[in-house]
Amino acid sequence: DAKTTQPPSMDCAEGRAANLPCNHSTISGNEYVYWYRQIHSQGPQYIIHGLKNNETNEMASLIITEDRKSSTLILPHATLRDTAVYYCIVRAGAGANSKLTFGKGITLSVRP
Amino acid sequence: EPEVTQTPSHQVTQMGQEVILRCVPISNHLYFYWYRQILGQKVEFLVSFYNNEISEKSEIFDDQFSVERPDGSNFTLKIRSTKLEDSAMYFCASSDGTGEDEQFFGPGTRLTVL
Repeated sequence: DAKTTQPPSMDCAEGRAANLPCNHSTISGNEYVYWYRQIHSQGPQYIIHGLKNNETNEMASLIITEDRKSSTLILPHATLRDTAVYYCIVRAGAGANSKLTFGKGITLSVRP
Repeated sequence: EPEVTQTPSHQVTQMGQEVILRCVPISNHLYFYWYRQILGQKVEFLVSFYNNEISEKSEIFDDQFSVERPDGSNFTLKIRSTKLEDSAMYFCASSDGTGEDEQFFGPGTRLTVL
């Protein structure tokens, strides 16, 4: 079972920041937080991951609380193409070959 | 940018028939995975594969399923005798096993069992 909880859906206006929350209160010390998204029925797309520090890449920023029990994915300037299901996944990341356990994710709708 | 490719994009088969779904992982990746997604449901892990062996499999991955890396580039999923409930999107993924080991997914094969 997924070790994360996410709201089922949210929306935001195009051009505005989208802040997607995730709770992972039972996360272990060696577990990373990964975010993937799935646009329509395409294959999941890796976005970003982190352990305890905040992370930023060309797609998004990941803010992890100090106690690591929750995190927020930030899309700084959402576009219509960012409409997708976003999955927050907790996974032991320092070793290879561990499966991803997907939950239901949060459906982000970006409106014009 | 390198990507995972899958063929065919859509496969229609009759119940009881064998199907082989093909994947070409990213060339320097060493770890390979199959996931599936039944319409409207979650993405589910099926199997992981490394060094020509299954590393982990889910309870879905029963004796009807098998995986193979027949050559240096392809990674296949075989379903021996398809059932109606095997209808789903099947996604292949690969990772290089370094760092935090992000998995990169292919576009999927839609399997329809009639």
